[in-house]
Amino acid sequence: EVQLVESGGGLVQPGRSLRLSCAASGFTFDDYAMHWVRQAPGKGLEWVSGISWNSGSIGYADSVKGRFTISRDNAKNSLYLQMNSLRAEDTALYYCAKDILRELLVADAFDIWGQGTMVTVSS
Amino acid sequence: DIQMTQSPSSLSASVGDRVTITCRASQSISSYLNWYQQKPGKAPKLLIYAASSLQSGVPSRFSGSGSGTDFTLTISSLQPEDFATYYCQQSYSTLLFGPGTKVDIK
Repeated sequence: EVQLVESGGGLVQPGRSLRLSCAASGFTFDDYAMHWVRQAPGKGLEWVSGISWNSGSIGYADSVKGRFTISRDNAKNSLYLQMNSLRAEDTALYYCAKDILRELLVADAFDIWGQGTMVTVSS
Repeated sequence: DIQMTQSPSSLSASVGDRVTITCRASQSISSYLNWYQQKPGKAPKLLIYAASSLQSGVPSRFSGSGSGTDFTLTISSLQPEDFATYYCQQSYSTLLFGPGTKVDIK
């Protein structure tokens, strides 16, 4: 079964850090680009970051650039998001999503999604 | 930066209705436009990619059209399981979703 399972969310104070993980199974992980997409409570979808199949191309939304770092470990079929200097506006459900293609920012579409991990930034 | 708008923001419809949702980009994005369906408490689901290509497993009552700046998602005959929020997403440049269209029961 094709599956993405996120973990690592929780309650964190403003300015602190958190690392999200996404475990992939049921498909050839290193054949596809991967992404993080978030959704604040009651709000729409926001693309956060993406990484190509070989980590050769990486992109970030302006809202997280310089604070978040995406990475992947193809040997472990895993995707990560290191989130530093967290702000209240980063509070959201964070989804891991599989691209339909290998490369980044080339006709990207997300065909497999995890169930999300909730990040709450509050003092 | 490219901006995305959707209209309407919400609509009420009945089972069997033909429903059309519009997505507009602030500049041409060729055919780099995808559509997703999201039900409450669930992850989004890819319906249409590249403006008009039906994702595997998606019922044929869903269709997409358009290119350049104007796109539409059409549900030919609304079914009970189609009540949800629909998002467009451009993949021409920095990835961006539209604000969503909520489809509920009339």
